[in-house]
Amino acid sequence: ETGVTQSPTHLIKTRGQQVTLRCSSQSGHNTVSWYQQALGQGPQFIFQYYREEENGRGNFPPRFSGLQFPNYSSELNVNALELDDSALYLCASSATQGAGSEKLFFGSGTQLSVL
Amino acid sequence: DQQVKQNSPSLSVQEGRISILNCDYTNSMFDYFLWYKKYPAEGPTFLISISSIKDKNEDGRFTVFLNKSAKHLSLHIVPSQPGDSAVYFCAASDAGGTSYGKLTFGQGTILTVHP
Repeated sequence: ETGVTQSPTHLIKTRGQQVTLRCSSQSGHNTVSWYQQALGQGPQFIFQYYREEENGRGNFPPRFSGLQFPNYSSELNVNALELDDSALYLCASSATQGAGSEKLFFGSGTQLSVL
Repeated sequence: DQQVKQNSPSLSVQEGRISILNCDYTNSMFDYFLWYKKYPAEGPTFLISISSIKDKNEDGRFTVFLNKSAKHLSLHIVPSQPGDSAVYFCAASDAGGTSYGKLTFGQGTILTVHP
């Protein structure tokens, strides 16, 4: 059973650029969530995808967007990067909707630095 | 608006003693609570959870206590081991709503267990 994998592990961008982060879900998981973890803070929910549809969104602007593919892998896209977007971006998958879906399995994250 | 708070940024204990990590929440809609552990350069790992219908859940050396009236939960680790040294995050969910998989995290507590 493969775990959640994210790529790339590190990324440096400049303000105004666009970035795409990728995530492969744990085998058998059909729900993917993305979180942003700023330095010294806990992870903050960005959005969740279930069966290729956005299924809940946190307090993030529209320039944060995502996709989920039929194989349940996922992308997080951020347009018009700002300095405050510098953070660790975590992808998490879970098996089902409903009870127990809160038990998320996280990848190691992508560390994004915006200069 | 910090709905989940971990007021102790760090905790240091001796090997073999008890570690107690605390968490407070403000949202009365939260009905499912989790603890995650995070090592450097790794994603958070699920540790233990508790539903609001319970006041205690135990798994080996780890026990989570929930006091709904005080909106407080705690994680007890007995006995503490050096390998337990990590950042511990408290998280909460209102699973009865439409937020499956959306967790609200605290800021984290750095636990250091000294040999």
